[in-house]
Amino acid sequence: NAGVTQTPKFRVLKTGQSMTLLCAQDMNHEYMYWYRQDPGMGLRLIHYSVGEGTTAKGEVPDGYNVSRLKKQNFLLGLESAAPSQTSVYFCASSYVRSDQPQHFGDGTRLSIL
Amino acid sequence: SQQGEEDPQALSIQEGENATMNCSYKTSINNLQWYRQNSGRGLVHLILIRSNEREKHSGRLRVTLDTSKKSSSLLITASRAADTASYFCATDAGGSYIPTFGRGTSLIVHP
Repeated sequence: NAGVTQTPKFRVLKTGQSMTLLCAQDMNHEYMYWYRQDPGMGLRLIHYSVGEGTTAKGEVPDGYNVSRLKKQNFLLGLESAAPSQTSVYFCASSYVRSDQPQHFGDGTRLSIL
Repeated sequence: SQQGEEDPQALSIQEGENATMNCSYKTSINNLQWYRQNSGRGLVHLILIRSNEREKHSGRLRVTLDTSKKSSSLLITASRAADTASYFCATDAGGSYIPTFGRGTSLIVHP
C-alpha cells in the first residue's frame, strides 16, 4: 500500500540549476498539492491540481511550475533554483471533499547552494 | 497567511501527563482537521471535526470546537514518548476544498 510517493528524497543543487520533483499517488485521488515547509513557517501551499490537466497557484507559487499530465502524478519544477528555495517539499493528495483527509508523502529535502 | 494558528509553539511534558494544544482561526469553516508529523516524515491525519460538532474522541485524542470563539483544542491524554511530534490544525476557510495549515505545536514527551 504505497499511498503517496515522492522522488527523490534528498537533493543538493547549485544556484541556477533546474530539477523536477515527482509525486505519485495510487489512491485515485482527484486533488493533489505541493507544499513547502520551512522552520517556523508551517506548511505553505505552492501549487495544487483539482484533476488531470489542471493546475492552480497557491500561496507561494513564484519560481515553481507544475504539471499534471496523468491523474496519479504531479510534478513540481524549479527552472532556475535559488538559495531561497532550500526547503522540505511535501506532496499530498485527497478526494474532492473538504471533509476528506489529505495523504502526505515523506518529503523531498532540497538544498540550493 | 495562515488561517489557523496553533498555541503553544512548543510543549514539553512528562510521560503520563495530558497535553493540550490549541488552534485559532480567522474565518468561518466547515471542517477542522488535526494532523501529526513525526520528525523527518510527512503529516498524518488524526481527526476531523465538523462545524456542527462540539467534541469528538478518537482513542486518547479529544478534540473540541468552539465556532463562536473560532478555536479548537486537541487533548492527548496519558501521553507517551511515542506522541513526541509536531501537531498541526488545518481549516477549510470559506468552504474551500483546499485546507490551510497553521505553524504547528511541537510536543516533546519525556519518558
